[in-house]
Amino acid sequence: AQSVSQHNHHVILSEAASLELGCNYSYGGTVNLFWYVQYPGQHLQLLLKYFSGDPLVKGIKGFEAEFIKSKFSFNLRKPSVQWSDTAEYFCAVNARNYGQNFVFGPGTRLSVLP
Amino acid sequence: KAGVTQTPRYLIKTRGQQVTLSCSPISGHRSVSWYQQTPGQGLQFLFEYFSETQRNKGNFPGRFSGRQFSNSRSEMNVSTLELGDSALYLCASRPGLALLHYEQYFGPGTRLTVT
Repeated sequence: AQSVSQHNHHVILSEAASLELGCNYSYGGTVNLFWYVQYPGQHLQLLLKYFSGDPLVKGIKGFEAEFIKSKFSFNLRKPSVQWSDTAEYFCAVNARNYGQNFVFGPGTRLSVLP
Repeated sequence: KAGVTQTPRYLIKTRGQQVTLSCSPISGHRSVSWYQQTPGQGLQFLFEYFSETQRNKGNFPGRFSGRQFSNSRSEMNVSTLELGDSALYLCASRPGLALLHYEQYFGPGTRLTVT
């Protein structure tokens, strides 16, 4: 079955610390990859997406992610977090060989301490 | 453009009742997907509609059903509610099913509480 895992349930960082959130998926075919963010009380918003091409993609608010096909991973990074980055982060995968379902990871809650 | 809207925002129902949730996609978007979000299970895909036809379905029992109208608005129905159906139900829309349209835009959700 299709699955997406996220390494950490809850990450706590101080402002200016670097961030890396792990995401792994279990498909063998072509995939589209996404990171979504849900700020407290707000809608899910797209941070960045990967369809093809350069495996290092840049998104909004200084976030970037790297697709490593051999590791089935799509980790999210930010060099220096801010208190306003406190939110829940979801990795999502759409595997074209499995129809068009989007499968989300369980989410990682990020708390940034001022 | 206005975003995805969902009504109602909050709902309290009793076990055994049925409920209908509504979603209006972004203007011009023809695909609507529904998700259930719970603290324990995260976001789980329910189904996707495009041009009034269900295109994909997740692993939910038949008590969960949906439909889409010609104006792309969608409704989701849950019959014979169970306590475990308490969740945030999210609707997401996108322009179509092509590769270029794989980005989804989410609504604020309907918080359903079953007592």
